[in-house]
Amino acid sequence: GENVEQHPSTLSVQEGDSAVIKCTYSDSASNYFPWYKQELGKRPQLIIDIRSNVGEKKDQRIAVTLNKTAKHFSLHITETQPEDSAVYFCAASIQGGKLIFGQGTELSVKP
Amino acid sequence: GAGVSQSPSNKVTEKGKDVELRCDPISGHTALYWYRQRLGQGLEFLIYFQGNSAPDKSGLPSDRFSAERTGESVSTLTIQRTQQEDSAVYLCASSSDPGSEKLFFGSGTQLSVL
Repeated sequence: GENVEQHPSTLSVQEGDSAVIKCTYSDSASNYFPWYKQELGKRPQLIIDIRSNVGEKKDQRIAVTLNKTAKHFSLHITETQPEDSAVYFCAASIQGGKLIFGQGTELSVKP
Repeated sequence: GAGVSQSPSNKVTEKGKDVELRCDPISGHTALYWYRQRLGQGLEFLIYFQGNSAPDKSGLPSDRFSAERTGESVSTLTIQRTQQEDSAVYLCASSSDPGSEKLFFGSGTQLSVL
């Protein structure tokens, strides 16, 4: 069945450094790849997404890259700030179908 | 308008009892999802409703779990004969366009089975 693997499970960086989180997916029909941020005790919220017809998308300090051939995609956060500390989830879906999430990455940004 | 609303926010029950969790999606959202999140874990897909199509129930962990949705509105997730391993946060989310647009999550129901 569909599966999304996410690494690392925890990531600690110094403020100002970059953070990279990687995901792989199993269903080659997947064509939509969002990333969600979940702060402690709060609901997940979408931070960026990418569709299969593009290889990279950027929004200020956040970027996502997609390699459809290898079936993996990554989240890049530059110039990290303490408020970036949260759990980040990648996800993959087939258009018109369910969204499957990765296991999550707990990011800690140390001031 | 209002976001996705879930009730109750917290539910404590005894092992073996049935529980019913409710989700009110954003008005006009045709897609509705239920996920389970155990403490410190990821979002486990349970079930997905899209308009009048048959729901995708492939994530339901056992026949003790069931869910219904009335048209494009309220959904209820029912867990029969609850077990301790059912303890988790149950999150509902809705979307205006399935599989390609953002999900709006509710604040979840924290279920504790004693």
